[in-house]
This record gives sequence, C-alpha cells and structure tokens, in this order.
Amino acid sequence: EVQLVESGGGLVQPGGSLGLSCAASGFTFSSYEMSWVRQAPGKGLEWLSYISSSGDSIYYADSVKGRFTISRDNAKNSLYLQMNSLRVEDTAVYYCAREGSSYGTYFEYWGHGTLLTVSS
Amino acid sequence: QSVLTQPPSASGTPGQRVTISCSGSSSNIGSNTVNWYQQLPGTAPKLLIYTNNQRPSGVPDRFSGSKSGTSASLAISGLQSEDEADYYCAGWDGSLKGVVFGGGTKLTVL
Repeated sequence: EVQLVESGGGLVQPGGSLGLSCAASGFTFSSYEMSWVRQAPGKGLEWLSYISSSGDSIYYADSVKGRFTISRDNAKNSLYLQMNSLRVEDTAVYYCAREGSSYGTYFEYWGHGTLLTVSS
Repeated sequence: QSVLTQPPSASGTPGQRVTISCSGSSSNIGSNTVNWYQQLPGTAPKLLIYTNNQRPSGVPDRFSGSKSGTSASLAISGLQSEDEADYYCAGWDGSLKGVVFGGGTKLTVL
C-alpha cells in the first residue's frame, strides 16, 4: 500500500524557517517524480514544487521561488521542503504528492498533509 | 486568481447528472492533459480523473472527464450524497513550467 506521511509542520514567526519531510513507503520511491502542494485555510490547492525521480530536474511556483527548496533522499525514501523567509500567507496545509505512472503530470497519491502556521 | 477557471459552485439532486467546467489556455489545457481531484470535507485530495478521461482503479464509472481545445469538463451521473465535495481541475502549464489548478468547485447534493 502506497503511503506518504508528512511531518514537520508547526507554528513559525514571520521571517522564520522550517523544514518539512515526507516519508514514502509501499512503492519504489526512486522511480517516481514528487511534488509539494499546499492549501491555505478555506482556499484551493496550490502547486509549489516538483522534483524528478533522480532529483536533477526541479521546478517551483513563482510564489515560493527563491524561498523554498525541494530535495529528496532516495536512500531514505524521503522528500523534503525547506522553507525560508516565511510569510503569513504561507500558512497552509502542505501535502506531498506522488506522480502517476501513465502519461501526463498528475498526482496519483497524496499524503494526509501537515499544517504550517506563520504568525507572530 | 487561478490560471484555470472553474465555477465556484454546482449543485444537483440525487440521481441527476451534473457537469463542472474548467477553462484554460493554449499553454495548459490546450497542449497538455487535464486531471481532476475530489476533496471530501476535512480530507486530502484524491485523484478522480487523469489524462483527460481515465479513471483510477476504484473510481466509479459515474465519473467521466472530457477535453476539447482549451476547456475540460467533469461529468458526474447518478449523483449521490457522498459526491458532495470540492472538485479541482489541474494540468501542466508549459509557459509557467508548473502545475496549475482551478479554483475549485463546491458540489452540493440537494
């Protein structure tokens, strides 16, 4: 069974930093592209970042470019998101998502999410 | 403001057929595949339709997707109370070099 478990969320002051982790199991992690997606309270879904299976191709949404860094450790079956210069508007539930196996970019599996609150 | 445009709400009675539209542009829907996600209240999103019209295993055939030009649609037939959820369209945008989502449509089963 595919499982994605995010951790690391919490309360951070504006301008602070935090790192999120996503532990993957139930599939060959090193074979799949991964992404981070967030959802602000009462709002829609927002894609943040993508990383290829090997980690050599990375993309970011403009809203987080230069502040957030996606990475992965295939030996540890883990995906990461380092977030710096956090803003109040970064408050959201953060999901890690695994790409599908077929043609096209789609998120076949999602974690349960971890809540980040940015507030003073 | 989302790159993909969806109606904020939709509704129907049990047994009815409802459709949710998703409008984009040549850089996203017009040149890439469309996917749909269902988010039940208080839960993580779930893949509902991928590659325009494919259903993952376990998704009832009451759900179907289509795409034409720069627009896509999700159709739900035989509406059931458990279909009450938020629905999001999404796809890759070649100009933005990223995944774009619609703003979401809240489906109410009356």
